[in-house]
Amino acid sequence: GESVGLHLPTLSVQEGDNSIINCAYSNSASDYFIWYKQESGKGPQFIIDIRSNMDKRQGQRVTVLLNKTVKHLSLQIAATQPGDSAVYFCAENMNTGFQKLVFGTGTRLLVSP
Amino acid sequence: ETGVTQTPRHLVMGMTNKKSLKCEQHLGHNAMYWYKQSAKKPLELMFVYNFKEQTENNSVPSRFSPECPNSSHLFLHLHTLQPEDSALYLCASSQPDRGVNTEAFFGQGTRLTVV
Repeated sequence: GESVGLHLPTLSVQEGDNSIINCAYSNSASDYFIWYKQESGKGPQFIIDIRSNMDKRQGQRVTVLLNKTVKHLSLQIAATQPGDSAVYFCAENMNTGFQKLVFGTGTRLLVSP
Repeated sequence: ETGVTQTPRHLVMGMTNKKSLKCEQHLGHNAMYWYKQSAKKPLELMFVYNFKEQTENNSVPSRFSPECPNSSHLFLHLHTLQPEDSALYLCASSQPDRGVNTEAFFGQGTRLTVV
């Protein structure tokens, strides 16, 4: 069945370090992937997405890497800041004509000053 | 502000009560969703509406009843809930572009406590 899993429940980094959050997915038919950030008391906020015809996409301070061979997704955050502290979710979606996002359990990123 | 507004933000209800959650999106999207987020669990998709038509019911108990009167509004009617239904209920919307999926925008959620 469909499943998305995260390797680490909590990641602690120092301010200024680069952070890498990993995600494994199991549905080889998924063709669209999204990373969301969720701060306490808020809904998930879109960070970056990538389609299956790409293996890398960069945004502002963030990079998403997709390895379809091993069904692995990662989010890299450069120069991590305290404001980056949140729970990060990866989500996968099959192209069914409507959104059916399957989410992982999330990784909590803790950034120390 | 994501353009998706949920009310109320917090709700406490007894197991015999009937209440409704409301979601409104100001983004002109055609697809709307209800998700449930429990502690230490992935977000669970509950319902999907496309152009006001329900296209997904992810084996949700009948004590949860969705309603989508138009593409901008989505309700979740609650009755005879159980304490294990306590969770954060999130509404989202998206605008698939010619069959290509795009990101979903989430509201702030309704924190529901069933007592």
